[in-house]
Amino acid sequence: DAGVTQSPTHLIKTRGQQVTLRCSPKSGHDTVSWYQQALGQGPQFIFQYYEEEERQRGNFPDRFSGHQFPNYSSELNVNALLLGDSALYLCASSTDRNQPQHFGDGTRLSIL
Amino acid sequence: ELKVEQNPLFLSMQEGKNYTIYCNYSTTSDRLYWYRQDPGKSLESLFVLLSNGAVKQEGRLMASLDTKARLSTLHITAAVHDLSATYFCAVDSRGDAGNMLTFGGGTRLMVKP
Repeated sequence: DAGVTQSPTHLIKTRGQQVTLRCSPKSGHDTVSWYQQALGQGPQFIFQYYEEEERQRGNFPDRFSGHQFPNYSSELNVNALLLGDSALYLCASSTDRNQPQHFGDGTRLSIL
Repeated sequence: ELKVEQNPLFLSMQEGKNYTIYCNYSTTSDRLYWYRQDPGKSLESLFVLLSNGAVKQEGRLMASLDTKARLSTLHITAAVHDLSATYFCAVDSRGDAGNMLTFGGGTRLMVKP
């Protein structure tokens, strides 16, 4: 049973560029959440998608946007990249609130 | 705004010793999760605590939740080197509108032989 898969694993971009990160949820999960984890810190919630709609959003600017597809997979897009966007981006999937969110291995994004 | 604080931030302990990690949060919630993260790896779910007084145990780890005190603890019994990792607590907010996890800053645990 495949867990949460993310691609790519590593990415290097320069300031001002745009990036798209991808996530496939665990089989049977319909909800996808994205988190940003800076080095040495806890993950911070970016947004959550359910039924192809953004259901919740954390305190992130509009440069961060996303999408969920009919097969529940999801994309995170970041425009106009800043040095401070360098972080590990984690995708998590879930099916109901009484179960833990399952996390993927993340995408390490480095901005030069 | 929900705030989640863990202490200590760093813990170095000898094998065989006991210790407790504390997780305090600022607003009402009845759902709290504990995760483990190894260096360069993703987060692994340890415990789900869904009500006041909930206690869960797995091996040398035991977690509890006191929703009235807004406090969760992760107790380590007779630590072994394999428990070395960073431990995060995360509080679920936003109710039926969909869960949103707010994480603490993490406790980095090093268990020395």
